[in-house]
Amino acid sequence: DSGVTQTPKHLITATGQRVTLRCSPRSGDLSVYWYQQSLDQGLQFLIQYYNGEERAKGNILERFSAQQFPDLHSELNLSSLELGDSALYFCASSVDFQTGDEQFFGPGTRLTVL
Amino acid sequence: DAKTTQPTSMDCAEGRAANLPCNHSTISGNEYVYWYRQIHSQGPQYIIHGLKNNETNEMASLIITEDRKSSTLILPHATLRDTAVYYCIVRVDNNAGNMLTFGGGTRLMVKP
Repeated sequence: DSGVTQTPKHLITATGQRVTLRCSPRSGDLSVYWYQQSLDQGLQFLIQYYNGEERAKGNILERFSAQQFPDLHSELNLSSLELGDSALYFCASSVDFQTGDEQFFGPGTRLTVL
Repeated sequence: DAKTTQPTSMDCAEGRAANLPCNHSTISGNEYVYWYRQIHSQGPQYIIHGLKNNETNEMASLIITEDRKSSTLILPHATLRDTAVYYCIVRVDNNAGNMLTFGGGTRLMVKP
Protein backbone atom coordinates (compact mmCIF):
# COMPACT_ATOMS: atom_id res chain seq x y z
CA ASP A 1 0.00 0.00 0.00
CA SER A 2 1.62 3.25 -1.19
CA GLY A 3 -0.57 5.50 0.94
CA VAL A 4 -2.02 7.19 -2.16
CA THR A 5 -5.74 6.62 -2.63
CA GLN A 6 -7.74 7.00 -5.80
CA THR A 7 -11.48 6.85 -6.35
CA PRO A 8 -13.31 5.38 -8.05
CA LYS A 9 -11.50 2.16 -8.95
CA HIS A 10 -13.54 1.64 -12.08
CA LEU A 11 -15.63 4.01 -14.12
CA ILE A 12 -17.76 3.17 -17.13
CA THR A 13 -19.35 5.99 -19.05
CA ALA A 14 -20.48 7.02 -22.52
CA THR A 15 -18.90 9.20 -25.14
CA GLY A 16 -19.53 12.89 -24.64
CA GLN A 17 -19.86 12.59 -20.88
CA ARG A 18 -17.81 14.22 -18.15
CA VAL A 19 -16.16 12.45 -15.20
CA THR A 20 -14.08 13.39 -12.19
CA LEU A 21 -11.29 11.27 -10.80
CA ARG A 22 -10.14 11.88 -7.25
CA CYS A 23 -6.75 11.42 -5.61
CA SER A 24 -5.62 11.76 -2.01
CA PRO A 25 -1.83 11.97 -1.66
CA ARG A 26 0.24 10.41 1.08
CA SER A 27 0.20 12.31 4.33
CA GLY A 28 2.77 15.09 4.15
CA ASP A 29 3.25 14.98 0.38
CA LEU A 30 2.79 18.34 -1.33
CA SER A 31 3.17 17.29 -4.97
CA VAL A 32 0.54 15.41 -6.95
CA TYR A 33 1.03 14.01 -10.43
CA TRP A 34 -1.45 12.56 -12.89
CA TYR A 35 -0.48 9.93 -15.46
CA GLN A 36 -2.47 8.17 -18.15
CA GLN A 37 -1.75 4.62 -19.28
CA SER A 38 -3.36 3.41 -22.47
CA LEU A 39 -2.55 0.34 -24.52
CA ASP A 40 -1.16 2.27 -27.46
CA GLN A 41 0.53 5.19 -25.68
CA GLY A 42 1.98 3.59 -22.58
CA LEU A 43 2.40 5.60 -19.37
CA GLN A 44 2.25 9.33 -20.03
CA PHE A 45 2.60 12.25 -17.68
CA LEU A 46 -0.38 14.62 -17.74
CA ILE A 47 0.06 17.30 -15.09
CA GLN A 48 1.69 18.10 -11.76
CA TYR A 49 0.53 20.25 -8.87
CA TYR A 50 2.61 21.42 -5.96
CA ASN A 51 0.90 22.82 -2.87
CA GLY A 52 -2.15 23.90 -4.82
CA GLU A 53 -0.38 25.38 -7.83
CA GLU A 54 0.15 23.88 -11.26
CA ARG A 55 3.83 23.06 -11.62
CA ALA A 56 4.27 21.20 -14.89
CA LYS A 57 2.17 20.15 -17.81
CA GLY A 58 2.63 17.17 -20.06
CA ASN A 59 0.49 15.65 -22.77
CA ILE A 60 -2.80 16.76 -21.28
CA LEU A 61 -5.67 17.44 -23.65
CA GLU A 62 -7.62 20.69 -23.47
CA ARG A 63 -10.72 18.65 -22.60
CA PHE A 64 -8.93 17.58 -19.41
CA SER A 65 -8.34 19.76 -16.40
CA ALA A 66 -7.10 19.26 -12.88
CA GLN A 67 -6.80 21.06 -9.60
CA GLN A 68 -5.31 20.57 -6.17
CA PHE A 69 -7.33 21.69 -3.20
CA PRO A 70 -6.17 23.29 0.09
CA ASP A 71 -6.29 19.90 1.80
CA LEU A 72 -3.92 18.71 -0.99
CA HIS A 73 -6.26 16.21 -2.57
CA SER A 74 -6.53 16.51 -6.32
CA GLU A 75 -9.17 15.97 -8.96
CA LEU A 76 -8.78 15.25 -12.64
CA ASN A 77 -11.74 16.28 -14.75
CA LEU A 78 -12.25 14.67 -18.14
CA SER A 79 -14.93 16.11 -20.40
CA SER A 80 -16.41 15.42 -23.83
CA LEU A 81 -15.12 11.91 -23.45
CA GLU A 82 -14.06 9.92 -26.49
CA LEU A 83 -13.45 6.22 -26.95
CA GLY A 84 -9.72 6.89 -26.97
CA ASP A 85 -9.83 8.26 -23.45
CA SER A 86 -10.35 4.76 -22.14
CA ALA A 87 -7.29 4.11 -20.02
CA LEU A 88 -5.85 3.64 -16.56
CA TYR A 89 -5.36 6.94 -14.79
CA PHE A 90 -2.75 7.01 -12.03
CA CYS A 91 -2.13 9.61 -9.43
CA ALA A 92 1.22 9.84 -7.69
CA SER A 93 2.53 12.00 -4.88
CA SER A 94 5.88 13.07 -3.54
CA VAL A 95 7.16 15.25 -0.72
CA ASP A 96 8.97 17.87 -2.73
CA PHE A 97 9.25 18.33 -6.47
CA GLN A 98 12.77 19.73 -6.26
CA THR A 99 14.66 16.85 -4.78
CA GLY A 100 15.25 13.37 -6.13
CA ASP A 101 12.57 11.91 -3.97
CA GLU A 102 10.47 9.02 -5.15
CA GLN A 103 6.94 9.25 -6.39
CA PHE A 104 4.35 6.98 -4.78
CA PHE A 105 1.63 5.81 -7.10
CA GLY A 106 -1.97 5.04 -6.30
CA PRO A 107 -3.81 1.95 -7.53
CA GLY A 108 -5.32 3.82 -10.46
CA THR A 109 -8.78 4.44 -11.86
CA ARG A 110 -9.75 2.35 -14.86
CA LEU A 111 -11.91 4.44 -17.18
CA THR A 112 -13.94 2.78 -19.89
CA VAL A 113 -15.70 4.97 -22.42
CA LEU A 114 -18.38 3.18 -24.45
CA ASP B 1 15.31 14.21 -20.53
CA ALA B 2 17.64 11.64 -22.09
CA LYS B 3 16.11 8.74 -23.95
CA THR B 4 16.63 5.22 -22.62
CA THR B 5 16.82 1.89 -24.39
CA GLN B 6 15.86 -1.35 -22.69
CA PRO B 7 15.30 -4.88 -23.95
CA THR B 8 11.64 -5.59 -24.51
CA SER B 9 11.60 -8.74 -22.42
CA MET B 10 13.78 -11.01 -20.29
CA ASP B 11 13.40 -14.27 -18.43
CA CYS B 12 15.01 -15.20 -15.14
CA ALA B 13 14.97 -18.36 -13.04
CA GLU B 14 13.52 -18.06 -9.56
CA GLY B 15 16.25 -17.60 -6.96
CA ARG B 16 18.79 -16.36 -9.49
CA ALA B 17 19.94 -12.79 -9.95
CA ALA B 18 18.06 -10.75 -12.52
CA ASN B 19 20.24 -8.24 -14.35
CA LEU B 20 18.27 -5.66 -16.29
CA PRO B 21 20.31 -3.40 -18.59
CA CYS B 22 19.52 0.13 -19.69
CA ASN B 23 21.31 2.32 -22.20
CA HIS B 24 21.19 6.07 -21.80
CA SER B 25 24.04 7.24 -23.99
CA THR B 26 22.83 10.87 -24.18
CA ILE B 27 22.51 11.35 -20.44
CA SER B 28 23.57 14.74 -19.11
CA GLY B 29 25.74 15.34 -16.07
CA ASN B 30 22.81 16.45 -13.91
CA GLU B 31 20.40 13.67 -14.86
CA TYR B 32 19.62 10.89 -12.43
CA VAL B 33 18.86 7.29 -13.34
CA TYR B 34 15.63 5.99 -11.81
CA TRP B 35 14.09 2.54 -11.85
CA TYR B 36 10.43 1.81 -11.34
CA ARG B 37 8.44 -1.35 -11.87
CA GLN B 38 4.81 -2.06 -12.59
CA ILE B 39 3.23 -5.32 -11.58
CA HIS B 40 0.24 -6.21 -13.73
CA SER B 41 -1.59 -2.85 -14.09
CA GLN B 42 -0.89 -1.80 -10.51
CA GLY B 43 0.57 1.62 -9.92
CA PRO B 44 4.29 1.82 -10.69
CA GLN B 45 6.57 1.25 -7.72
CA TYR B 46 9.84 3.05 -7.08
CA ILE B 47 12.86 0.76 -6.83
CA ILE B 48 16.05 2.81 -6.72
CA HIS B 49 17.85 5.79 -8.22
CA GLY B 50 21.39 7.08 -8.58
CA LEU B 51 23.53 9.78 -10.15
CA LYS B 52 27.11 8.47 -10.44
CA ASN B 53 27.82 5.98 -7.74
CA ASN B 54 26.44 2.50 -7.43
CA GLU B 55 23.49 2.26 -5.09
CA THR B 56 21.93 -0.54 -3.08
CA ASN B 57 18.77 -0.79 -1.06
CA GLU B 58 16.58 -3.55 0.29
CA MET B 59 15.03 -4.17 -3.11
CA ALA B 60 17.89 -3.98 -5.59
CA SER B 61 21.30 -2.71 -6.62
CA LEU B 62 21.99 -0.14 -9.31
CA ILE B 63 25.27 -0.26 -11.17
CA ILE B 64 26.07 2.82 -13.28
CA THR B 65 29.03 2.70 -15.66
CA GLU B 66 31.80 5.22 -15.19
CA ASP B 67 30.82 7.14 -18.34
CA ARG B 68 27.19 6.99 -17.14
CA LYS B 69 26.00 5.88 -20.56
CA SER B 70 24.46 2.69 -19.25
CA SER B 71 23.28 1.09 -16.06
CA THR B 72 22.12 -2.27 -14.73
CA LEU B 73 19.45 -2.99 -12.19
CA ILE B 74 20.18 -6.13 -10.21
CA LEU B 75 17.55 -8.08 -8.30
CA PRO B 76 19.84 -10.40 -6.31
CA HIS B 77 17.42 -13.29 -5.73
CA ALA B 78 14.45 -12.98 -8.05
CA THR B 79 11.11 -14.37 -6.89
CA LEU B 80 7.91 -14.99 -8.81
CA ARG B 81 6.54 -11.78 -7.34
CA ASP B 82 9.26 -9.85 -9.16
CA THR B 83 7.54 -10.58 -12.48
CA ALA B 84 6.75 -7.10 -13.76
CA VAL B 85 7.60 -4.43 -16.30
CA TYR B 86 10.74 -2.57 -15.25
CA TYR B 87 11.22 1.02 -16.38
CA CYS B 88 14.55 2.79 -16.55
CA ILE B 89 14.09 6.57 -16.51
CA VAL B 90 16.61 9.39 -16.63
CA ARG B 91 15.48 12.66 -15.22
CA VAL B 92 16.70 16.09 -14.24
CA ASP B 93 15.58 17.17 -10.82
CA ASN B 94 14.96 20.90 -11.08
CA ASN B 95 12.40 23.57 -10.54
CA ALA B 96 10.65 22.66 -13.76
CA GLY B 97 9.01 19.73 -12.08
CA ASN B 98 10.12 16.16 -11.76
CA MET B 99 7.64 14.24 -13.84
CA LEU B 100 8.60 10.76 -14.96
CA THR B 101 8.91 9.97 -18.66
CA PHE B 102 8.24 6.26 -19.10
CA GLY B 103 9.46 4.30 -22.08
CA GLY B 104 8.45 0.79 -23.03
CA GLY B 105 10.33 -0.88 -20.21
CA THR B 106 11.53 -4.49 -19.90
CA ARG B 107 9.00 -7.18 -19.19
CA LEU B 108 10.73 -9.50 -16.72
CA MET B 109 9.30 -12.97 -16.37
CA VAL B 110 10.58 -14.92 -13.37
CA LYS B 111 10.07 -18.63 -13.91
CA PRO B 112 10.03 -21.45 -11.33
